[in-house]
Amino acid sequence: NAGVMQNPRHLVRRRGQEARLRCSPMKGHSHVYWYRQLPEEGLKFMVYLQKENIIDESGMPKERFSAEFPKEGPSILRIQQVVRGDSAAYFCASSPRLAGGSNYEQYFGPGTRLTVT
Amino acid sequence: AQTVTQSQPEMSVQEAETVTLSCTYDTSESDYYLFWYKQPPSRQMILVIRQEAYKQQNATENRFSVNFQKAAKSFSLKISDSQLGDAAMYFCAYRSEGGGGADGLTFGKGTHLIIQP
Repeated sequence: NAGVMQNPRHLVRRRGQEARLRCSPMKGHSHVYWYRQLPEEGLKFMVYLQKENIIDESGMPKERFSAEFPKEGPSILRIQQVVRGDSAAYFCASSPRLAGGSNYEQYFGPGTRLTVT
Repeated sequence: AQTVTQSQPEMSVQEAETVTLSCTYDTSESDYYLFWYKQPPSRQMILVIRQEAYKQQNATENRFSVNFQKAAKSFSLKISDSQLGDAAMYFCAYRSEGGGGADGLTFGKGTHLIIQP
């Protein structure tokens, strides 16, 4: 039973390029969350998606960042025109249950470390 | 908005001894979930223990237990019989129970746990 998968594990981009981070949730999970971890910090929530819907994007920067979770395929976090401040670890988590489920848990992937040079 | 505070950036304990990591949080909600996650050098986020706010009984998972004080908004993690493999960053996290899309976890900044052999 494969866990949450993220790729690539490491991504290097020059300033101004685009970064695309992929997340495949655990089998049977239809809820995906993206978090960002800056050096020496805890994880910060960015966005919560269900298949084909963005449910909560309150943590997403207003510009350059977007996320999708299509009906088929992985969830994508896209960062346009990257800047050095975007360098961080980006984690994806998935969940099998709707909000309020009593045994609700988020299962994390191994993260993608983005370095902007 | 909820906040989670971990006041100990680093803790050190001798192998086989007991250590307690502190966490406080601020919320106006009555129903919520609290979590402790472990992040070893591999950076994989691993769920250690979970507590539902409506449960008075403190959660326990083998050598890991919590002291949940709802009125004081305190959620400390006790690790008994510390092992070298326990060395990691430990993050306290909060999640609303009420749904409505507010499902992202709010994390503290973490405590770096060092195990002395």
